[in-house]
Amino acid sequence: EIVMTQSPATLSVSPGERTTLSCRASQSVSSNLAWYQQKPGQAPRLLIYGASTRATGLPARFSGSGSGTEFTLTISSLQSEDFTVYYCQQYNNWPYTFGQGTKLEI
Amino acid sequence: EVQLVESGGGLVQPGGSLRLSCAASGFTFSSYAMHWVRQAPGKGLEYVSAISSNGNRTNHANLVKGRFTISRDNSRNTLYLQMGSLRAEDTAVYYCARFTIFGVDSWGQGTLVTVSS
Repeated sequence: EIVMTQSPATLSVSPGERTTLSCRASQSVSSNLAWYQQKPGQAPRLLIYGASTRATGLPARFSGSGSGTEFTLTISSLQSEDFTVYYCQQYNNWPYTFGQGTKLEI
Repeated sequence: EVQLVESGGGLVQPGGSLRLSCAASGFTFSSYAMHWVRQAPGKGLEYVSAISSNGNRTNHANLVKGRFTISRDNSRNTLYLQMGSLRAEDTAVYYCARFTIFGVDSWGQGTLVTVSS
């Protein structure tokens, strides 16, 4: 099984700042990598798929990059609603494993 | 509008069984692979099981292999998860999710399974 490792577990940033979240795969997943955002009490929401393609309606301040084993999610100017938890998931090989999550806090 | 509505969760004793259902609407159910994803209280997302659009291919996470079985009835637009030999660590909210080539693009609201004596 492919192990997905996100870093850091918690990231303390300020509104308006730019921040980058990392996700590493234990073996290549090509570009079959998605990012999700989850707010408390809600189901996750798809943000990025194919490592770098924004989901419909996602603000342009979100961007993804990477391929193979190293991936990043960048938020260019943090808004108040962005302070929540983010997960990566590989869908290259079953089982489609998730990272453990990164929490963005103010 | 895509809708996924889970049901069947509840309190079950260790070693017991439970069957979750997910009623799908607003899309052609038989055209999509479907997943179950769970989230233990205060923890992260965990992939549980997947099934192809026609049901002839399935996959389960190592932690549930041999205990859980995913299935679907395309005539009823319904996804199932049969869970057996339940353990305390299976306690979680279980989400039904639609999988596309873009990843999981739709999620249900989740159903809580609590394994406790």
